[in-house]
Amino acid sequence: GAVVSQHPSWVICKSGTSVKIECRSLDFQATTMFWYRQFPKQSLMLMATSNEGSKATYEQGVEKDKFLINHASLTLSTLTVTSAHPEDSSFYICSAPDRLAYEQYFGPGTRLTVT
Amino acid sequence: GEDVEQSLFLSVREGDSSVINCTYTDSSSTYLYWYKQEPGAGLQLLTYIFSNMDMKQDQRLTVLLNKKDKHLSLRIADTQTGDSAIYFCAETPYGGSQGNLIFGKGTKLSVKP
Repeated sequence: GAVVSQHPSWVICKSGTSVKIECRSLDFQATTMFWYRQFPKQSLMLMATSNEGSKATYEQGVEKDKFLINHASLTLSTLTVTSAHPEDSSFYICSAPDRLAYEQYFGPGTRLTVT
Repeated sequence: GEDVEQSLFLSVREGDSSVINCTYTDSSSTYLYWYKQEPGAGLQLLTYIFSNMDMKQDQRLTVLLNKKDKHLSLRIADTQTGDSAIYFCAETPYGGSQGNLIFGKGTKLSVKP
């Protein structure tokens, strides 16, 4: 079946630095990808919708200048957490719907820890 | 707005059936999903059901949908210790299967030997 990969799977960074997380659809094209954030023992909350060739759409309360999204191709979306702070520590998960299928495929997630 | 509600915990004995319940608010949801998440891992799609279906069975999993009451349930037959995980119910209020998902808070299933 279709697979969505994320890289890295986990990252530790210092406060004030930026971290880039990649989300790739491996055997299908995804004009849209979704970025979610999951805090410990909580549900997934949609952060933004990544659209290939156009600007991302951010959910209310999500700072677009802090969470930069680039959907440069039909198989790759990147999320850059800029000037990271400890409160940005979370599990970031992307998903991509397959236009030819009736389901979405989730990446394995990236655990970000900001020290 | 859209909302998905689940009970937070369920404890069963190995070999028993588990039933995880979910209610949702958006009647326009066309797809409803069940995902499993093990500790520290990503989401694993277990099954999904179209809104025009009442039931779907896949091996040990049975999904029941009561569209009138906006109630969804997942039954796991012969529950095993390996089924211990958090189970998320999710709906797609926008764009069918191509839109983002709205997740419940998850039900933590504990299976006792």
